[in-house]
Amino acid sequence: GAVVSQHPSWVICKSGTSVKIECRSLDFQATTMFWYRQFPKQSLMLMATSNEGSKATYEQGVEKDKFLINHASLTLSTLTVTSAHPEDSSFYICSANPGTSTGELFFGEGSRLTVL
Amino acid sequence: SQKIEQNSEALNIQEGKTATLTCNYTNYSPAYLQWYRQDPGRGPVFLLLIRENEKEKRKERLKVTFDTTLKQSLFHITASQPADSATYLCALAPPGGSYIPTFGRGTSLIVHP
Repeated sequence: GAVVSQHPSWVICKSGTSVKIECRSLDFQATTMFWYRQFPKQSLMLMATSNEGSKATYEQGVEKDKFLINHASLTLSTLTVTSAHPEDSSFYICSANPGTSTGELFFGEGSRLTVL
Repeated sequence: SQKIEQNSEALNIQEGKTATLTCNYTNYSPAYLQWYRQDPGRGPVFLLLIRENEKEKRKERLKVTFDTTLKQSLFHITASQPADSATYLCALAPPGGSYIPTFGRGTSLIVHP
């Protein structure tokens, strides 16, 4: 099956610093990757669609200057949380579809961000 | 916009019984309805999907039904085991070629030994 790897799995940072999360498709190429945010006992919230070689598409209400997305290759997308604040603390998960027409997503392991 | 409803209350069952989880949606019928499993602190894992023109789909101990009239999908786990304890998410992929699925909140299943 398709494998998506995410790193780091958890990170603790001080308020005001920036944090980068990497998402890699290990056995397929992904022109598109999706970044989600999930609060405890809540549904996955789509933040943005990462497009290889072009700008990401952000969902309404998501600050693109706050959550920088770069998709520089067909196997790597990064999410940088800039000037992090405690309210940015959450579980961030990336996903991708390996090209099936049925649209199922394969997710990374997730990254738990805690901003002090 | 599409609204997806899954029971927010955890489902507690005894090992060996069949677990049945419900997913209801309120708007258009999706092209595909997908089910995922999510363990605490992990990303969701895709389990299986059913197409809008299918009534039922099976995979090992899993069975999914899809009723477009009721706008409902049922997810069954037969002969449940404690290892099946997790949160199960349903997701709807819209028709029209845009396959970004919309996820429900998920239902927690707890299988007691």
